[in-house]
Amino acid sequence: DIQMTQSPSSLSASVGDRVTITCRANQNINTFLNWYQQKPGKAPKILIYGASSFQSGVSSRFSGSGSGTDFTLTINSLQPEDFATYYCQQSYSIPRTFGPGTKVDIK
Amino acid sequence: QVQLQESGPGLVKPSETLSLTCTVSGGSISNYFWSWIRQPPGKGLEWIGHISHTGKINYNPSLKSRLTISLDTSKKQFSLTLNSVTAADTAVYYCAGEGLSPWYLDLWGRGTLVTVSS
Repeated sequence: DIQMTQSPSSLSASVGDRVTITCRANQNINTFLNWYQQKPGKAPKILIYGASSFQSGVSSRFSGSGSGTDFTLTINSLQPEDFATYYCQQSYSIPRTFGPGTKVDIK
Repeated sequence: QVQLQESGPGLVKPSETLSLTCTVSGGSISNYFWSWIRQPPGKGLEWIGHISHTGKINYNPSLKSRLTISLDTSKKQFSLTLNSVTAADTAVYYCAGEGLSPWYLDLWGRGTLVTVSS
């Protein structure tokens, strides 16, 4: 199985801040990396697929980059609705695996 | 707009079988891998497995010995069966759809909590 790690595991930020979350795979996954946002009591929602492609309807505040083993999710000008947990996931191989999540909360 | 809805018992006894069904509405069952993902309370996401509209199945090896995923195209439903459950199988179970290349989960059900307890 491909192991996914994320850092940090949690962070506190203020509205308007720029936030960066890192995801790392323990082997090359090309750009088969997706980012999801999950709010309490809700299903995850796709934000970014293929490492850097925007899902339709997702705010342009979110951007993704990276390839191979190292990836980044950036949230520009954090908004109140962005406080949530963010997961990366690899879709390069079976089984699909998720990172442990990064919780973004209000400072 | 395609919608997914999980259904099934919310309480299962230890050593028994967990069975869930996901109904797909508002769209075609083609062009997706129909997936199950679970999330223990307060924890992260675990991919369980998926089945394509042609019946190709992939399972998480960690669950494979206890797991069956099936698809009924006429009813637009897919199902999960997990045998010999323990408390460790207590989780919110989500059904989801993974698009065919570049493969990401863009359809999700609301999730259903299944508790394993006597």
